[in-house]
Amino acid sequence: QVQLQESGPGLVKPSETLSLTCAVSGYSISRGDYWGWIRQPPGKGLEWIGSTYYSGSSYYNPSLMSRVSISVDTSKNQFSLRLSSVTAADTAVYYCARHILYCNSSSCSLNWFAPWGQGTLVTVSS
Amino acid sequence: EIVLTQSPGTLSLSPGERASLSCRASQSVSSSYLAWYQQKPGQAPRLLIFGTSSRATGIPDRFSGSGSGTDFTLTISRLEPEDFAVYYCQQYGNSHSFGQGTKLEIK
Repeated sequence: QVQLQESGPGLVKPSETLSLTCAVSGYSISRGDYWGWIRQPPGKGLEWIGSTYYSGSSYYNPSLMSRVSISVDTSKNQFSLRLSSVTAADTAVYYCARHILYCNSSSCSLNWFAPWGQGTLVTVSS
Repeated sequence: EIVLTQSPGTLSLSPGERASLSCRASQSVSSSYLAWYQQKPGQAPRLLIFGTSSRATGIPDRFSGSGSGTDFTLTISRLEPEDFAVYYCQQYGNSHSFGQGTKLEIK
């Protein structure tokens, strides 16, 4: 059974870089699928941040692309998020999730997210 | 970017009733690439439906999804007490975006 667990600082100062890690258990991230980050500001909806493959191939939300980097450490079976130049608007619960990759004979596509980690609240404040 | 608009914002129903939640896209969602999630307070979202109408593993058959193009619906045939939660739709046909959610509350 795949399980994901986010970790990282709960408080980040404005203009600094937010860094989170997602540890995956019960499944090797090198087996396939992508691995993604989604966030949810307090009391609001969900926003996809980006997703990465074990090889390092990544896709990002265009609205965040200039500030986001997602990397993978296959030796530790985990992946990480870095979001630079944060402001109060980046305050949110950050979730990691398996991002299902489906391939047919002609193409591959990134699909739904399952399962999700429990989430971690990151507050941006001085 | 495809914008998803969910309605109503809040739906008040009683256990045993039927619930219909709407998700409308600003442009056609290719290949019916639409999913639904359930989120309870303090918990992560849980996948209910993918590919518009396929139930995820372990999801009761009282949950069903339908639709195509720009209009999609999540139906809960007979509400159980544990079904009262917030529901989100997600499209994955053109990048990825979520609706703003529908809160299903006990009347």
